[in-house]
Amino acid sequence: AQTVTQSQPEMSVQEAETVTLSCTYDTSESDYYLFWYKQPPSRQMILVIRQEAYKQQNATENRFSVNFQKAAKSFSLKISDSQLGDAAMYFCAYRSAYIPPSGPLVFGKGTRLSVIA
Amino acid sequence: NAGVTQTPKFQVLKTGQSMTLQCAQDMNHEYMSWYRQDPGMGLRLIHYSVGAGITDQGEVPNGYNVSRSTTEDFPLRLLSAAPSQTSVYFCASSYSRQGNEKLFFGSGTQLSVL
Repeated sequence: AQTVTQSQPEMSVQEAETVTLSCTYDTSESDYYLFWYKQPPSRQMILVIRQEAYKQQNATENRFSVNFQKAAKSFSLKISDSQLGDAAMYFCAYRSAYIPPSGPLVFGKGTRLSVIA
Repeated sequence: NAGVTQTPKFQVLKTGQSMTLQCAQDMNHEYMSWYRQDPGMGLRLIHYSVGAGITDQGEVPNGYNVSRSTTEDFPLRLLSAAPSQTSVYFCASSYSRQGNEKLFFGSGTQLSVL
């Protein structure tokens, strides 16, 4: 079974600075998808960024980018120019490419990010 | 556009009571799923569906039933509530056969079982 590990339960960053959230995963599959979801205090789950394992290029979405290291099974999220609105719980998630889209997303336990003004 | 709608938002049950958490989506999504979120545990899949009439178990299905009689609705039934089922429940849907498509989540149901 696949597992996702987020080793940083809590992180903090100064406003306008850069922070990196770590995520590692364990799988024997060669094709899969990785995601970062943001959960603010409102409890809403918001997709931040996604990466297909077959793509070598790291995904970027505005101030958010990932460092995808397939061989190391690492998928870190970098947030640049941090804003107060970035404060939230961040979840790393894995999905096999061999199951339906509504099949298991395997989530890590989350990293709570605080942004200091 | 409503997206994924969950009701109720909050619920308190006594041990042994049964209830149904409602989930409806108006996006004609084929794929729907239920997750629970416990403190320090992340989200875990309870049940999922790939279309009307088709459901399957996820990681933590015990104590829950689902059915999918229409594309729009995917209710989650607690048969006999237990304190271990105290959690936040999320319904989600997606529209594509591609695994990289995002899930659309509802706003969650906070359930407490006393």
